[in-house]
Amino acid sequence: QKEVEQNSGPLSVPEGAIASLNCTYSDRGSQSFFWYRQYSGKSPELIMSIYSNGDKEDGRFTAQLNKASQYVSLLIRDSQPSDSATYLCAVNDFRDDKIIFGKGTRLHILP
Amino acid sequence: GAGVSQSPSNKVTEKGKDVELRCDPISGHTALYWYRQSLGQGLEFLIYFQGNSAPDKSGLPSDRFSAERTGGSVSTLTIQRTQQEDSAVYLCASSPPDLGGYTFGSGTRLTVV
Repeated sequence: QKEVEQNSGPLSVPEGAIASLNCTYSDRGSQSFFWYRQYSGKSPELIMSIYSNGDKEDGRFTAQLNKASQYVSLLIRDSQPSDSATYLCAVNDFRDDKIIFGKGTRLHILP
Repeated sequence: GAGVSQSPSNKVTEKGKDVELRCDPISGHTALYWYRQSLGQGLEFLIYFQGNSAPDKSGLPSDRFSAERTGGSVSTLTIQRTQQEDSAVYLCASSPPDLGGYTFGSGTRLTVV
């Protein structure tokens, strides 16, 4: 059974600080990794994708992947109150096609 | 269209009635997925369509649930004899052939009373 694990939170971070969200996955064959943001009452929105080891930066967001440790993380720099949401980690391997989602981490940015 | 379109946005139905939920994916997206999300819970995979291949139905919770995709585009999820535990937000997503991440629709909120 493929699994994606996240701390459910809530993770509280002061405005302007760095928020660090973590995710582990069980299937070593996984090849594609995604972070989705979901505001309360809304559908998930893709914010980052990463496919190779290392860091990928996009604005205030940095995704980090370590396949040896089966670990993927999302860093949010200069956190804003508008970043308060649930962040879903998702993992895919092309043998199966469908993406497996973690249950999400609730992030609360404190003004 | 520009995004994944789902209808209706809200549906209230009486226990025991059948419902149909519709999803119109992004043009050119070959893969289409149905998930459901109960209040405060994660995403539960239901069914997956890829091109003309047989669908992956492994997530359907019971034989009351079925889905079809006509012409490789629009999909309909049907729930027969609805039960109160079917109440949830039903989300449809589509992805391009390279499977580079899904785009979700805005969902259908189903309430069974």
